[in-house]
Amino acid sequence: GAVVSQHPSRVICKSGTSVKIECRSLDFQATTMFWYRQFPKQSLMLMATSNEGSKATYEQGVEKDKFLINHASLTLSTLTVTSAHPEDSSFYICSATGTGRYEQYFGPGTRLTVT
Amino acid sequence: GIQVEQSPPDLILQEGANSTLRCNFSDSVNNLQWFHQNPWGQLINLFYIPSGTKQNGRLSATTVATERYSLLYISSSQTTDSGVYFCAVEEGTYKYIFGTGTRLKVLA
Repeated sequence: GAVVSQHPSRVICKSGTSVKIECRSLDFQATTMFWYRQFPKQSLMLMATSNEGSKATYEQGVEKDKFLINHASLTLSTLTVTSAHPEDSSFYICSATGTGRYEQYFGPGTRLTVT
Repeated sequence: GIQVEQSPPDLILQEGANSTLRCNFSDSVNNLQWFHQNPWGQLINLFYIPSGTKQNGRLSATTVATERYSLLYISSSQTTDSGVYFCAVEEGTYKYIFGTGTRLKVLA
């Protein structure tokens, strides 16, 4: 149990376009989902926390107008990178936790390359 | 905020060797997890261990919350153990702060 999927696994887009990444909990209801960013050979940095039906809470320094997060249901959260630029290229990972669960379960990640 | 430091940063082992990875954190925490990030980037849950000791096959972990550290033991290492090991501690409600990571390479 506790499987989290992400789609797409890899995406290449042109500078100025927007990209949407989906995160789904497959076998549990995710009351809270998280989005992380990871640069090469670095640790994970939390970008935002989202609760189903509520606005996301962004970490300091993360532009909420650039990284739009929607947690519309108990199994789906989306991250949209708007007007992407090459510096947005990174590995984006989502995680989820559910009612009565203390652990976070991670998706396989999405590698975004902006050209 | 909480600082989470891991040591060593890099580790190279011969297959079959044992190792101990350490995670130090700067303040008391409610929850702590250990993860293995495989070469494809997937984070795999190893242990949820806010305190005490747990074992799962060749891996075991111990957290001494009062002294603000956790240890991950890998015995009889295999090449498939290669990757990056992270500890993450909970700051507040559900917000996890990840450690700096230990990059492990196991040689055949």
